[in-house]
Amino acid sequence: GENVEQHPSTLSVQEGDSAVIKCTYSDSASNYFPWYKQELGKRPQLIIDIRSNVGEKKDQRIAVTLNKTAKHFSLHITETQPEDSAVYFCAASKSSASKIIFGSGTRLSIRP
Amino acid sequence: NAGVTQTPKFQVLKTGQSMTLQCAQDMNHEYMSWYRQDPGMGLRLIHYSVGAGITDQGEVPNGYNVSRSTTEDFPLRLLSAAPSQTSVYFCATSQGTSGGYPQYFGPGTRLTVL
Repeated sequence: GENVEQHPSTLSVQEGDSAVIKCTYSDSASNYFPWYKQELGKRPQLIIDIRSNVGEKKDQRIAVTLNKTAKHFSLHITETQPEDSAVYFCAASKSSASKIIFGSGTRLSIRP
Repeated sequence: NAGVTQTPKFQVLKTGQSMTLQCAQDMNHEYMSWYRQDPGMGLRLIHYSVGAGITDQGEVPNGYNVSRSTTEDFPLRLLSAAPSQTSVYFCATSQGTSGGYPQYFGPGTRLTVL
């Protein structure tokens, strides 16, 4: 079945710098790749997603890139702010199946 | 709209007890699922449903049962609680019946099994 690996598990960046989180997936048929943000004690919430017919998607300070050949996708956060501190999860799924598999998460800390 | 609701928020059980975690949604979503999140860990799929009367197993189904008699409700039953089931449980829903849509999570139930 599908397997999603996420790196790094923890990431600390200076406020204002950029952060990059990477995920790889195993099932070449996967075609939907969402990213979720989970603040401490809260529920995961979708922040951005990308489908396999698109190579890059941006929403203000966050962007996601997808490399289908290499089977990896990345989350980019620019001009990081204290409120970006959270755990970020990637996930992969395919429209022909019903299971969504999550990565193990990245704890992002923003240093003042 | 309440979105996705879960009850209870917190629960403490003794080993061997049974209980049901409730999940309800008012978004008319066909897809509902249960995840567990252990401390410092990711989200692992327990069971999911693509519509009323249809359920299937996820990655870690052992020790849990589900049923889906209505579109709105998807309860998770722990048959005989074990300390290994101490976790935070999230219910999630999405439109459609496949994995190609965003998930909307409930607030979670924090379960401790002594």
